[in-house]
Amino acid sequence: AQRVTQPEKLLSVFKGAPVELKCNYSYSGSPELFWYVQYSRQRLQLLLRHISRESIKGFTADLNKGETSFHLKKPFAQEEDSAMYYCALPSGGSNYKLTFGKGTLLTVNP
Amino acid sequence: NAGVMQNPRHLVRRRGQEARLRCSPMKGHSHVYWYRQLPEEGLKFMVYLQKENIIDESGMPKERFSAEFPKEGPSILRIQQVVRGDSAAYFCASSPDSSGTSPGELFFGEGSRLTVL
Repeated sequence: AQRVTQPEKLLSVFKGAPVELKCNYSYSGSPELFWYVQYSRQRLQLLLRHISRESIKGFTADLNKGETSFHLKKPFAQEEDSAMYYCALPSGGSNYKLTFGKGTLLTVNP
Repeated sequence: NAGVMQNPRHLVRRRGQEARLRCSPMKGHSHVYWYRQLPEEGLKFMVYLQKENIIDESGMPKERFSAEFPKEGPSILRIQQVVRGDSAAYFCASSPDSSGTSPGELFFGEGSRLTVL
């Protein structure tokens, strides 16, 4: 069964410091992975997907099949990055049935 | 575009009562999904609906839970005879199609938080 693990419930960094939010997964086959973000008082929204190999708001995520990881990284954190971040993986062969991790609350301190 | 609209935002019910949660998808979206987030857990898929059809209800509890998306009006998630374990945040999401050009991109509502006393 597919599983997504986000080992850190809370992560606190200072502004300008690098940040890495960890995500490990279990999946048989070639996974697609996503990062969703929920800013304070806003809706959950897609941040980036690995298949696009894109950088959004300075964040990147690389799929490491050997380590079964999809960590989210940003070299210089900003205060506005403070939010709840969820790693997600499609399950059951569909693109809508996502398995979410429990989330990591990132706080960027001034 | 107002986005996915859910109501009520907060609902309190006593054990044994019924809870009805409503969801209006984004304009132009015909696919609706319900997810549940129990305390300290990630979101879990419940059901996928199109107008007048349940496409996938593999995540729905077998009893007391039902969902519909009528031809007119919002999608409804109905929980009969609620129990304390039903206390959770229920999120609705929509998409223009189920796979399409943006696989995995669901547009979420703000959620409905159900508390069962």
